[in-house]
This record gives sequence, C-alpha cells and structure tokens, in this order.
Amino acid sequence: EAQVTQNPRYLITVTGKKLTVTCSQNMNHEYMSWYRQDPGLGLRQIYYSMNVEVTDKGDVPEGYKVSRKEKRNFPLILESPSPNQTSLYFCASSLFAGGSNQPQHFGDGTRLSIL
Amino acid sequence: EDQVTQSPEALRLQEGESSSLNCSYTVSGLRGLFWYRQDPGKGPEFLFTLYSAGEEKEKERLKATLTKKESFLHITAPKPEDSATYLCAVPVSGGYNKLIFGAGTRLAVHP
Repeated sequence: EAQVTQNPRYLITVTGKKLTVTCSQNMNHEYMSWYRQDPGLGLRQIYYSMNVEVTDKGDVPEGYKVSRKEKRNFPLILESPSPNQTSLYFCASSLFAGGSNQPQHFGDGTRLSIL
Repeated sequence: EDQVTQSPEALRLQEGESSSLNCSYTVSGLRGLFWYRQDPGKGPEFLFTLYSAGEEKEKERLKATLTKKESFLHITAPKPEDSATYLCAVPVSGGYNKLIFGAGTRLAVHP
C-alpha cells in the first residue's frame, strides 16, 4: 500500500531534550516536506527536500533540522525543543519536485507536546 | 503577497442539505489549486486538482470549480460521513511545489 509513515504518532517530552520524528515513503517520490498545523494558523511548511541531499527552508524553519540521505526517508530533528514547538506535525511527499500540479500525499501526523 | 482564504470557518448542515465552501486566493500565475479532506487525527487526503478557470472536477457528492479568483467545493445532498475539515492549497508564486494552505472549513453534517 502506498503510504507516508511517521513515527512516533504521539510524544510528550521536556524542554531541551533532543528528539527525532521519522518519516518514510514507499512511493519513490522525489519531493518530501514537513508541515506543522496549529489552530487558526493552518498548515505551515517547515522544511522541504527536492531530492536526496537537497533541502531548503520553508516558512517556519527556526528550531528545526532535517536531512535527506536516502530518497525514502526525511527525518525532522528538534535539537533543543521548546514549548512553542508543541504542535501537530505532518510529513508529505509528491512524485516530482518542480511539478507545480503534483498533489502531495500526507502521513497521519505526529502530535508533539513539549513541557 | 500570496494568500489563501477559506470561508466559512465552520458549517453545520442537515443531511441532504446542499451547500458550498469557498476558497479565495491571491497568487501570481496560478499553477493549480488543490482540495484536501482532513478527518480528526488524520493527515490531509487529496481530493482534486484544478488547473484553469472554468474547470470542474467531481467525486461522489463533491464537485470542485475554479474561477480566476476563487474555487468552490459544492457538496450535494451531504451525508454524515462527509463531516471533515476541507482544506484548499495553491503553489506559491515561483515555488517548487511549495504550497500555501487555507485555514480550512470544518463541516459537520447531522442526520
């Protein structure tokens, strides 16, 4: 089954404790992206990757890191999480980068709480 | 500045009561508009892509239309299982598959 898989689905942690949210897609998609979703603000892009070893900042990249060493994986890293990073996070992928009419396929989300 | 605005913020319908959701956008050189459905606790699920003014797409009780300034998602004779948040998104001007999303319309259909 074609899918985008995120782990963990839920995480409660404390300020300053490094964490990684994994994302994997099995559709051989070139493009992958991370979003956060907050009430009243909608989905905002954190980072995106157009292919292996190619990443770039989205609209709200502060406090986050990403890497794209393999085509299928795009982990999101919070080196020193803070309470304002408490949010619902989504990973997405699409077939091609640069194809403006390519729909993105989303994972089921990671709900992150930073105390 | 690229912007996407959805209205209403929330909509409550009786089963069978048809209505429309609106997505207004300001972006230079529209290269597509996407509609998604999002259920609680789930990621957005792709519904439609519209590419040019006048285009229409249909899926079951949903029909999406596009003009030069806005898109409508028409829901005909909705059922309770159509209850969800509906999101629209457009590629930003000059962006490589970089999307800007509206805040969504929360639809509740009651029996």
